[in-house]
Formats: sequence, structure tokens, C-alpha cells
Amino acid sequence: EDKVVQSPLSLVVHEGDTVTLNCSYEVTNFRSLLWYKQEKKAPTFLFMLTSSGIEKKSGRLSSILDKKELFSILNITATQTGDSAIYLCAAPTRDSGTYKYIFGTGTRLKVLA
Amino acid sequence: NAGVTQTPKFQVLKTGQSMTLQCAQDMNHEYMSWYRQDPGMGLRLIHYSVGAGITDQGEVPNGYNVSRSTTEDFPLRLLSAAPSQTSVYFCASSYSVVGTEAFFGQGTRLTVV
Repeated sequence: EDKVVQSPLSLVVHEGDTVTLNCSYEVTNFRSLLWYKQEKKAPTFLFMLTSSGIEKKSGRLSSILDKKELFSILNITATQTGDSAIYLCAAPTRDSGTYKYIFGTGTRLKVLA
Repeated sequence: NAGVTQTPKFQVLKTGQSMTLQCAQDMNHEYMSWYRQDPGMGLRLIHYSVGAGITDQGEVPNGYNVSRSTTEDFPLRLLSAAPSQTSVYFCASSYSVVGTEAFFGQGTRLTVV
């Protein structure tokens, strides 16, 4: 069965710290991995990764994919209180005829001032 | 550009009542889906559609119906609400499942008493 597992489940850091969030996957016919940030409302898109070793970067956030070891990491440097959110990773797949995105349960990040 | 519009934002139902959650997108996306999000469970797929007139079940379809008469609209019907359906519901759309990001509606917090 396809699955996406995120760790840690939750994390509390202070402003200015650097954090690394992990996402491992077992997905048949893997094509891509996506990262989302969810604050109080809907998840918002951060990155889509399709190739190993190529870092995607947006400001203080960056992400990379390792297709050999089947994982991705999301790094946030110089964290701010506005980074407090649930971070979700997802992989699209076709599983038993169902087309879907498989989501991890998320990492809840809290950044203290 | 409105993106994905989901209504209502909040709803309280009595056990046994029925209701429809509305979802509309204006991006001409073929793929639309409904998820429920429960604490510790992540996002779980209820139903999805790969185009007008085509729907299929996801992981947790029992108690829900969908239809897709147009590309834009994908309503979710609760047939006879149960307390186990208390959850946050998200509608999402994407151009396709593979290789594209999903856009989410703002969510509906449903409580069944």
C-alpha cells in the first residue's frame, strides 16, 4: 500500500533557529512530491519536486528530493513566528485504479518569539 | 481569479440531516477531489473526479455522494449525517493528478451533533 510518512510529528523552536522536516514515501509509479503549508485554513503550495538532488528554494525555505532513498526534506532557515503551521507532504499516485494525492499526517511547527 | 471556492465555511447538523457542500473552480481543471481532515489522520480522500460525468470513490466514501455535471462544480452530499462525519472538509482541484499541484478551497468545518 502506498504511503507517505512525515517526521517529526511536532516541533517547537525559537525564532532564528533552522529546522529540517522529513518526508519519506513508498509510492508506486512515483512521479513527484509536493510540500504544502497549512495555517488555519487551506493548505497552500510550497514546492513540487520531481528530480533527485535538485534543490528548490523560495526565500528561507528550501527542499530537496532523494529518489534513491525515497525521502524529501524541507528546510526553513532563520525561522519566524509566521512560519508556525502544519507542513504537509504529498505524492500523487494511481493506487488500485484510484487517482489521488497521498498526504502525510503533517509536521506541526511552532516558532516561539 | 477566484481559484477554488468552497461553501459553507461552518455548519452544524443534527444526526440524520442531509446537506450539500459546494465546490467550484474557475481554472478549467479536470481533476477535482474531496478530502476530510481529522486530527492525527492527515487528509483522506473521500471522492474524486477526473472530468465532467466521471466520479470515483476514494479511501473513505461511505455516507457521501458526489456528482460532476460540469467541469467547474463538484458538490459533496452527506446523505444522513452521523457524528463520525464531524471533520474539516476540503475540496481541491488540479489540472491533472500527475505532475501538477493541487489547489485547495478554504475548508468547511462540519459538526454533527
